[in-house]
Amino acid sequence: GIQVEQSPPDLILQEGANSTLRCNFSDSVNNLQWFHQNPWGQLINLFYIPSGTKQNGRLSATTVATERYSLLYISSSQTTDSGVYFCAVERPGGGADGLTFGKGTHLIIQP
Amino acid sequence: EPEVTQTPSHQVTQMGQEVILRCVPISNHLYFYWYRQILGQKVEFLVSFYNNEISEKSEIFDDQFSVERPDGSNFTLKIRSTKLEDSAMYFCASMRGGIYGYTFGSGTRLTVV
Repeated sequence: GIQVEQSPPDLILQEGANSTLRCNFSDSVNNLQWFHQNPWGQLINLFYIPSGTKQNGRLSATTVATERYSLLYISSSQTTDSGVYFCAVERPGGGADGLTFGKGTHLIIQP
Repeated sequence: EPEVTQTPSHQVTQMGQEVILRCVPISNHLYFYWYRQILGQKVEFLVSFYNNEISEKSEIFDDQFSVERPDGSNFTLKIRSTKLEDSAMYFCASMRGGIYGYTFGSGTRLTVV
C-alpha cells in the first residue's frame, strides 16, 4: 500500500516561532488532508489539499503532487497549537481504502 | 458545518464483553469508515462501507468485528468479545465522494479491563 512519512517526529518550539512540517508519500494521491489531534484526542481537519497551496489564518499548506510531498506551515505559534499533526492520503480510486495516515509530528509549543 | 457524531465518548468494558460503538455520519455522505488509534500510535483504517455493504477491510478487522447501518442515519461498529488489546480510540468518518475530503467524528475512547 501507499507509504506516508512525516518529519520531524517531534518538535519543541517557543511561542511565537514558525514551523514547517513535512509529509512525503510514496505514490500518486487523490486526496491529502492535514489533521491536528488535540489533547482530548479529537482529529480536527486543517486542510484538504491534494495539490496547490491554501491558507487559513496562521496556518498554510502546500502540496506538490508531482514530487509527492506536502508541507504544513505554522506561523507565530501559540501554546494551543500543541498536539500531534497528521498527514493522511487517499490513493486514486481509493475511496474504499479510505485514508492512510502517517505517524504524525508531535509539536510542543512552550510559553 | 455538518458534523459526524459518535457515542459514547468513553466506554469501559470487561474483557470478553460485547460493545457497540455508534456513529451518525453526515446525511448526504456516501462512504463511511471506522478507524482505530491505539494510544500513542497512528490512526489505522479498519473498514469502509458503501451502498449498504463493506467495501474494504483491513487485516485488523477480523471476525470479532462487524459493522451495520441499521437505519438511514446510524452506522455502528460491534466488537463481539473484547480483548485488552482492543483498548483504543475508535473514529468514525464519512466522505461524500469525488473531490471532497473526509470528516471525522470526535471518537470513542474504549478501555477494556
